[in-house]
Amino acid sequence: SQQGEEDPQALSIQEGENATMNCSYKTSINNLQWYRQNSGRGLVHLILIRSNEREKHSGRLRVTLDTSKKSSSLLITASRAADTASYFCATDVYYNTDKLIFGTGTRLQVFP
Amino acid sequence: GAVVSQHPSRVICKSGTSVKIECRSLDFQATTMFWYRQFPKKSLMLMATSNEGSKATYEQGVEKDKFLINHASLTLSTLTVTSAHPEDSSFYICSARDLGGRGYTFGSGTRLTVV
Repeated sequence: SQQGEEDPQALSIQEGENATMNCSYKTSINNLQWYRQNSGRGLVHLILIRSNEREKHSGRLRVTLDTSKKSSSLLITASRAADTASYFCATDVYYNTDKLIFGTGTRLQVFP
Repeated sequence: GAVVSQHPSRVICKSGTSVKIECRSLDFQATTMFWYRQFPKKSLMLMATSNEGSKATYEQGVEKDKFLINHASLTLSTLTVTSAHPEDSSFYICSARDLGGRGYTFGSGTRLTVV
């Protein structure tokens, strides 16, 4: 079953703009991860944030986690056309550490 | 880094036939592998968790007899779609959990088309 809901479902922006995607989940988690998927391809792991962390950075990516609200956000700064892809949050759920459940995803389109 | 090889990348089969998809961890041992299914423009739905040497654990609503999973070694898990029908057409992705704690590594996926 899906754990997370993401919004927006789709996002279109111009190069150079920032893109923000939000993820909400339902149960306690060990960590939350963000993945990227180009059309028809496999997944690329972007960043992992643990349940005791509130913010994490990696290059142009910034992830926040609010466990009280059961939500996370992914910010991509200074977007590029090459960032066009689908982005998914995935939760490593607390009651079963061997299971990664994905959110519904956000399709990002960055126009040159 | 950790690499998972999934094969084939694309397969077309006739209705009623069976198709096997392989997922191999190339440079690490994975006691646990996961199989996901993805419909066009949708998210990944976990189908089952495959543990080496034991029976797979299927998610609710996934037919065990339809989607046979075998995890015979620490580096190989297979998903067999039996008696395939057009509604089984989908993108199937495997993932392996690294014992070393490096997290989940995903295969590149298999596009199955049943005609």
